Amino acid sequence: EIVLTQSPGTLSLSPGERVTLSCRASQSVSGSYIAWYQHKPGQAPRVLIYDASRRATGIPDRFSGSGSGTDFTLTISRLEPEDFAVYYCQLYGNSPPLFTFGPGTRVDIK
Amino acid sequence: QVQLQESGPGLVKPSETLALICAVSGGSIRNTDWWSWVRQPPGKGLEWIGEISHSGRTNYNPSLRSRVTISVDKSKNQVSLKLTSVTAADTAVYYCARNPLSSGWYFDYWGQGTLVTVSS
Repeated sequence: EIVLTQSPGTLSLSPGERVTLSCRASQSVSGSYIAWYQHKPGQAPRVLIYDASRRATGIPDRFSGSGSGTDFTLTISRLEPEDFAVYYCQLYGNSPPLFTFGPGTRVDIK
Repeated sequence: QVQLQESGPGLVKPSETLALICAVSGGSIRNTDWWSWVRQPPGKGLEWIGEISHSGRTNYNPSLRSRVTISVDKSKNQVSLKLTSVTAADTAVYYCARNPLSSGWYFDYWGQGTLVTVSS
């Protein structure tokens, strides 16, 4: 089973800052199987990025995804007040079929 | 706009069966979509429970496979989850979510989630 790790665990930042979140897989995976979600308390998770770099419908262009192999990145170019949340990466593995989430990175207001 | 709504008992006794329904509105259950259940224990991350296709094919998280059954009722536009022999470790917010398989392996629509507490 492939394990996802995310770093850092928590970030304390100010609005307007640029943030880079890391997601590392324990073995090489296809980027087609990597997605990123934003999750706020009391709300449903919201998909931001799928196929490692495709923005989901309605997602602002300050969110971008990149990476390949074992290392994937979510970048927020300029933090807005509404971006403070927990961010999860997700992997789909097809042998056996299994969705796996990383442990998450919390982005807090400094 | 597809909407998902989970419903079911908020309190389940240990050793009993947790049963939830996900009602899909704003569109029918298409043969290109898969429907998953995902849960989040208090203070922890997201855990995928399993999925079902339009035709009833299922895949389950190996860690829960022995206790989970997911079913679909296309006539009612509903997906159901049953989890047997629950313990306090099964206390979580349970979400249903859609995987639009035709465009990738991710979840584009989620329900708001329902908290299920396992306690006597």
